[in-house]
Amino acid sequence: DAGVIQSPRHEVTEMGQEVTLRCKPISGHDYLFWYRQTMMRGLELLIYFNNNVPIDDSGMPEDRFSAKMPNASFSTLKIQPSEPRDSAVYFCASRYSGGRYNEQFFGPGTRLTVL
Amino acid sequence: AQSVTQPDIHITVSEGASLELRCNYSYGATPYLFWYVQSPGQGLQLLLKYFSGDTLVQGIKGFEAEFKRSQSSFNLRKPSVHWSDAAEYFCAVVHSNAGNMLTFGGGTRLMVKP
Repeated sequence: DAGVIQSPRHEVTEMGQEVTLRCKPISGHDYLFWYRQTMMRGLELLIYFNNNVPIDDSGMPEDRFSAKMPNASFSTLKIQPSEPRDSAVYFCASRYSGGRYNEQFFGPGTRLTVL
Repeated sequence: AQSVTQPDIHITVSEGASLELRCNYSYGATPYLFWYVQSPGQGLQLLLKYFSGDTLVQGIKGFEAEFKRSQSSFNLRKPSVHWSDAAEYFCAVVHSNAGNMLTFGGGTRLMVKP
């Protein structure tokens, strides 16, 4: 099992540019979560999907942020335009609702730096 | 709304010493509780979880945690710390009836002295 895969692992971009972060959940998992981690705010849930449908996006900070899940094995988080305050580590996590526990499995994260 | 508090932002212990990381939660119903560990530059790895039953749960890497409903606590313990345990530790709670929204504490950074 490859676990949750995220790409890229590191991204450095300039303010105003579009940034796309990618996530491949564990095969068979029907929930997918996007988190952001910063020193100031800790770990924050941005949005989560169930069976590819966005369920709660109340954590998405602004309209500049958007997330999609076109199929069960792929999701993107897009920031357009990016700003320096978006610099953070973005984590994707997935879980299987049929399991006994509500354990979420995390990817290694994408460290985003916006200059 | 549920919340999770980790009162200690940083903790330093000597290698071989015992460890206890505190976690308090605020949630009316029966919580599902988790401890995750994050090594530098890595994602979060689940150490252990509590859902019901025995209030003392065993996890990986020699960690254990005890759920105390009366104190709304779920403290993480290890009898003898190893240098490789230096990391950041996060306590988290999830709605038992929703099953989706993980709320994390602010984390505790553990440093281990030789």
